[in-house]
Amino acid sequence: GQQLNQSPQSMFIQEGEDVSMNCTSSSIFNTWLWYKQDPGEGPVLLIALYKAGELTSNGRLTAQFGITRKDSFLNISASIPSDVGIYFCAGNSGYALNFGKGTSLLVTP
Amino acid sequence: EAGVVQSPRYKIIEKKQPVAFWCNPISGHNTLYWYLQNLGQGPELLIRYENEEAVDDSQLPKDRFSAERLKGVDSTLKIQPAELGDSAVYLCASTFDPGSGELFFGEGSRLTVL
Repeated sequence: GQQLNQSPQSMFIQEGEDVSMNCTSSSIFNTWLWYKQDPGEGPVLLIALYKAGELTSNGRLTAQFGITRKDSFLNISASIPSDVGIYFCAGNSGYALNFGKGTSLLVTP
Repeated sequence: EAGVVQSPRYKIIEKKQPVAFWCNPISGHNTLYWYLQNLGQGPELLIRYENEEAVDDSQLPKDRFSAERLKGVDSTLKIQPAELGDSAVYLCASTFDPGSGELFFGEGSRLTVL
C-alpha cells in the first residue's frame, strides 16, 4: 500500500497543553481518517474527513483534510491524561485503509 | 450492540506449529478485514471480504496463510506453519460501508511464536 508519513513519532506533554500531529502521503486519498489505539485494544475512529480543505471537529479534536489531498493534521486542545495512546492517520484508497506508523502521545498530570 | 469479537486474545506457540484466529463482525456488516500489526507499526491489510468472497487478498502470504468466511459472517485466519516473524497482533475489522473508511476493530489476537 501507499506509504503514509506520520509525525512526530512520539510526544510527551503536560496536561492542558495543545497537541498537533500530521500525516503526509505521496499519493492522493479521497478520505482521510484519524484513529486512536489504547494499549491492548483495537484502533477506534476519532474523525473522518471526506472533502479536500474540510475542517472537522469532535469535542477537543480538530482535523483537516489538506487541499492537495496528500496530507492531514490532527489537533487536540487542552489535553487530559486519558488522551494517552497511539494516534494513527489513515488514507482510504478505495475500499481499504492505509495506515501511518502512529504518533505515541504521553500526557503527564 | 456487540462489537467485533476476536479470539483468542493471546496465543503462544512454537515455530512450525499451526494457529488459527476467529472473528465475529458486527451484525449486518458485510465487509470484513484482517489486518496485521507489528510492534510500533500501523495495521497492514492482509485480506478483505465482501460477504463470503475474498475481494482483496493480494497482501496475504498464501504459502502459509489462509482465510475463510464460509457463510459470510464470521471468519477464520490460519497460519501453517508459523514462523518467528509472524509474532504480531492480528486485527479483525468490519464495516457496513467500505467506501467510508469507517472501520470497527476488534481487540486483536496477539501471537507470540517461540
